[in-house]
Amino acid sequence: QKEVEQNSGPLSVPEGAIASLNCTYSDRGSQSFFWYRQYSGKSPELIMFIYSNGDKEDGRFTAQLNKASQYVSLLIRDSQPSDSATYLCAPLNYKYIFGTGTRLKVLA
Amino acid sequence: DVKVTQSSRYLVKRTGEKVFLECVQDMDHENMFWYRQDPGLGLRLIYFSYDVKMKEKGDIPEGYSVSREKKERFSLILESASTNQTSMYLCASSPTGFITEAFFGQGTRLTVV
Repeated sequence: QKEVEQNSGPLSVPEGAIASLNCTYSDRGSQSFFWYRQYSGKSPELIMFIYSNGDKEDGRFTAQLNKASQYVSLLIRDSQPSDSATYLCAPLNYKYIFGTGTRLKVLA
Repeated sequence: DVKVTQSSRYLVKRTGEKVFLECVQDMDHENMFWYRQDPGLGLRLIYFSYDVKMKEKGDIPEGYSVSREKKERFSLILESASTNQTSMYLCASSPTGFITEAFFGQGTRLTVV
């Protein structure tokens, strides 16, 4: 079983809709998670960090962590074409293992 | 701004060549990482280093080695390049601490012919 699993997509949503990206993990000891965004041809960049159960909001982005069910999700409200990218999740540990990423396409 | 610099953006090498990919960071980060990224497979960790001269294998170390003689520099070595090592290679660095954001270099697109 992989440490971190994501649906590779593509996930297509219309402009203005809510995009929901999910990540499951196998290590029950994982306490915190990062979400990175990677535009095509570019390097990943950090967009969210969550370390406690529940929701964390930052502008149009909300990260949700459910430790009992071992999943973490990223919601993007009012999706824009500029949100089209691959989104990668990574648990906070010393090795920095990433999920395979979910490709999001926001259709204008 | 944190800067992670990879020595080449594009590289073409021949099968069997010894290839060096260099990565330098300017923020005094303890941790450095090498990944390869392939379509459908995501970012896969090759090796990482948490201190000078310290290294640990990641998920796919076969065919690669690394060197970290100075804190700011982390080199990935392909001992004998093969066509299945054609990929995008990304270097990253991060500090040690609670919220350890990883900062990435611009990537090296390596083609082995």
